[in-house]
Formats: sequence, C-alpha cells, structure tokens
Amino acid sequence: ILNVEQSPQSLHVQEGDSTNFTCSFPSSNFYALHWYRWETAKSPEALFVMTLNGDEKKKGRISATLNTKEGYSYLYIKGSQPEDSATYLCAPTYGGSQGNLIFGKGTKLSVKP
Amino acid sequence: GAVVSQHPSRVICKSGTSVKIECRSLDFQATTMFWYRQFPKQSLMLMATSNEGSKATYEQGVEKDKFLINHASLTLSTLTVTSAHPEDSSFYICSARDSGGMADTQYFGPGTRLTVL
Repeated sequence: ILNVEQSPQSLHVQEGDSTNFTCSFPSSNFYALHWYRWETAKSPEALFVMTLNGDEKKKGRISATLNTKEGYSYLYIKGSQPEDSATYLCAPTYGGSQGNLIFGKGTKLSVKP
Repeated sequence: GAVVSQHPSRVICKSGTSVKIECRSLDFQATTMFWYRQFPKQSLMLMATSNEGSKATYEQGVEKDKFLINHASLTLSTLTVTSAHPEDSSFYICSARDSGGMADTQYFGPGTRLTVL
C-alpha cells in the first residue's frame, strides 16, 4: 500500500500571510504528481500536474515544486485570501499516464479576514 | 473547464434498499470514469474504474456484486449500492478522464453523501 503524507493536517492563517504545505510520497516508479483544491460542497479542482524532477508550476498566487528523487512536493500560496480557504489534496500516480491517483488526506487551509 | 455533475448530492435510505448514484461529464466525452469513497478523516480511496462499454475494474476489497457500476455511454456512469447497510454510509465521489485531453487529468464531481439508517 502506497503511503502519501500531507502536512500539516490543518492550517489557520491571517489574510495576507503566505503559507506552504508539503506532500511526501514514495519515489519508486513515480510518474506524476497532481494537486487539487477542494472547497466545501464543490468539486475538487485540478491545480497542477507535474512530472519532472525540479518542475515548478504557478497559477496566480499559488505555485508548486516537485522533487521526484526524494519524493516530495511543496505548495505555496502567496498573500493568502479568504477565498483560498479549502482543502488541498495531492495525489501521485505511478507506472505511466494511466496510473491511478493515490490521494493524501489533504491539508485544510482556513484564511481569516 | 471540464465539468462533471453527480446526482444526488445527498441521500438517506433504509438498510436493505438500493441506491443509484449518477455521474455525468457535461462538456466532454469520458471513456474512463472512476468511483472513489471517503470515510471521515480519511483520504479518497479508489473503488473502481469504469470503462465505457465494458466491465468495471474493482480495487482489492471492493465487492463488485454490492457496488454495481454501469458505463453505458461516453458521458454517464452509474454506481448502485445494493442492499445498503449502515457501514456503507460514506461520501462517494466520481471523476472522469477527458478522452480528448491530457491522458492523466481527472475531473471530479461534487460527490454524494450516503447515509444508511
């Protein structure tokens, strides 16, 4: 059973703070790493897909990095806003493009105005 | 972006009854759809992979006779929880892989909260 760890489990920040959280995963046979943003009562929204060691992706104030050799990815949010409040899920895949998503438990971010 | 709908969003049923959940890709065709289950404070766990026009592939420990999956068209997959019991109470969520897009991008529905009394 593949173990995907996300930390911290939850995070409370003030509006304007920058924050980051971690996804750790087994590196053997790794193919891609997905980040999703999941607001309450909505569908998880795909943020990034990364495959190469050293990849960096950016979408507005959110960015992510990938280290496939040591098996971790960081997600950064610059200048957090209340609308950033959500659970952030990471999910690596293995063995190729058709590999199944293996989800972590997520990091729940709350941004206070 | 790609939109996936799921119906119903919430259902309460009596023990022993069957419940059907629908998953639709609204603006793209999906050869492959996935069904996940999430128990409280746990991660999303893949139950089965649904392939249009063929039998679903179930993950280890998931009873195929209890969780019936039908993927009769490129935009619709259904999950039927047969003879539901209280231990089947959970959050069920589907996703669809865009057949015309990046092979490894899944788009999710909003989920269905099932409560079995």
